[in-house]
Amino acid sequence: QKEVEQNSGPLSVPEGAIASLNCTYSDRGSQSFFWYRQYSGKSPELIMFIYSNGDKEDGRFTAQLNKASQYVSLLIRDSQPSDSATYLCAVKGGGATNKLIFGTGTLLAVQP
Amino acid sequence: DAGVIQSPRHEVTEMGQEVTLRCKPISGHDYLFWYRQTMMRGLELLIYFNNNVPIDDSGMPEDRFSAKMPNASFSTLKIQPSEPRDSAVYFCASSLRANDYNEQFFGPGTRLTVL
Repeated sequence: QKEVEQNSGPLSVPEGAIASLNCTYSDRGSQSFFWYRQYSGKSPELIMFIYSNGDKEDGRFTAQLNKASQYVSLLIRDSQPSDSATYLCAVKGGGATNKLIFGTGTLLAVQP
Repeated sequence: DAGVIQSPRHEVTEMGQEVTLRCKPISGHDYLFWYRQTMMRGLELLIYFNNNVPIDDSGMPEDRFSAKMPNASFSTLKIQPSEPRDSAVYFCASSLRANDYNEQFFGPGTRLTVL
């Protein structure tokens, strides 16, 4: 079992719709969770992080965390063609480590 | 700040040759990470440094790979000898300090092709 799992997609949504991206992780001791966006041919960039159960909102983005289910998701409201990218889920373990474990990413395609 | 700088941006080499990738982290950042990204395996951490000291090299695939950080503003990742399966995009990232939500800033990457 992979440590961080994501559906590779592509996830296709129409412009203006809500895109829902999901991620599960295997290490129950994981403390912090990150969503990175990566445009084709570019480097990853952080868009959200969350470390408490529940929802965290930032503009059109909402991260949701359920530690009991070992599940983290990213919702993108009012999706725009410019949101088309690969979204990487990353998990940081507990303790002193600064190591992030990345999922393989979900490709999102927003259709105009 | 110019961000994380990597060189070269593209490298094409033949099997058996030595390859050296270079990284300059953001000034003041005390963590530096080397990642490799492929379609099959995604983004994998190879090694990371704190204050120039290697902390976790468990992701280094084998002895052909080595990484150094001689000072706070420079790091190298060396592959010797290179093999076709090393073809990937190699990213360097840096972060300011260790806390639960510290952001890692990625460089533009080096696309390595080993023929």
